[in-house]
Amino acid sequence: KAGVTQTPRYLIKTRGQQVTLSCSPISGHRSVSWYQQTPGQGLQFLFEYFSETQRNKGNFPGRFSGRQFSNSRSEMNVSTLELGDSALYLCASSYTEGGYEQYFGPGTRLTVT
Amino acid sequence: GESVGLHLPTLSVQEGDNSIINCAYSNSASDYFIWYKQESGKGPQFIIDIRSNMDKRQGQRVTVLLNKTVKHLSLQIAATQPGDSAVYFCAENGETSGSRLTFGEGTQLTVNP
Repeated sequence: KAGVTQTPRYLIKTRGQQVTLSCSPISGHRSVSWYQQTPGQGLQFLFEYFSETQRNKGNFPGRFSGRQFSNSRSEMNVSTLELGDSALYLCASSYTEGGYEQYFGPGTRLTVT
Repeated sequence: GESVGLHLPTLSVQEGDNSIINCAYSNSASDYFIWYKQESGKGPQFIIDIRSNMDKRQGQRVTVLLNKTVKHLSLQIAATQPGDSAVYFCAENGETSGSRLTFGEGTQLTVNP
């Protein structure tokens, strides 16, 4: 069974631009969660989607948004990029909500210049 | 100048030794705990999980111990190998936090041949 896939793997953007990251969960998984990983803050929860509905949201500004499609694939968007948004963005999928057995993708490395 | 970054606790062991990585969690309502391994440039890899109604769970070469009285979690790796070198994170899923995982700061394990 294929794992969680994320595209693109690397991205360089300039301040003020916006970016969309994509995540395809493991086949059959309906829950997708997004995390931001930085050296200074570690792994922080962004939001979680289940059955196309946002179930939970972390403490990030409204510039961070996401959505989930009927095939469980998910996208997250960051608008008006800031230097501090440079991070590894990780997507994790699981069969149910509740955070149980979340499997991570390889991440998208975003660099904002 | 001052460096900015996450200071990871470190553990250095000899190949073949047993490793014990410790983690303190904060939410007494957490009902589920996970250990992840993250190698450089990769996403976190699921190792083993445990629910709050258990105090021990074993996998292949790994054992997780849960002490709810002192809110402590540990990961034991038997016969540590160079391929075990990575950053290890514990994560908790507090009962009140829905699907979000709250991660510890991680421990850098180095296995010396």
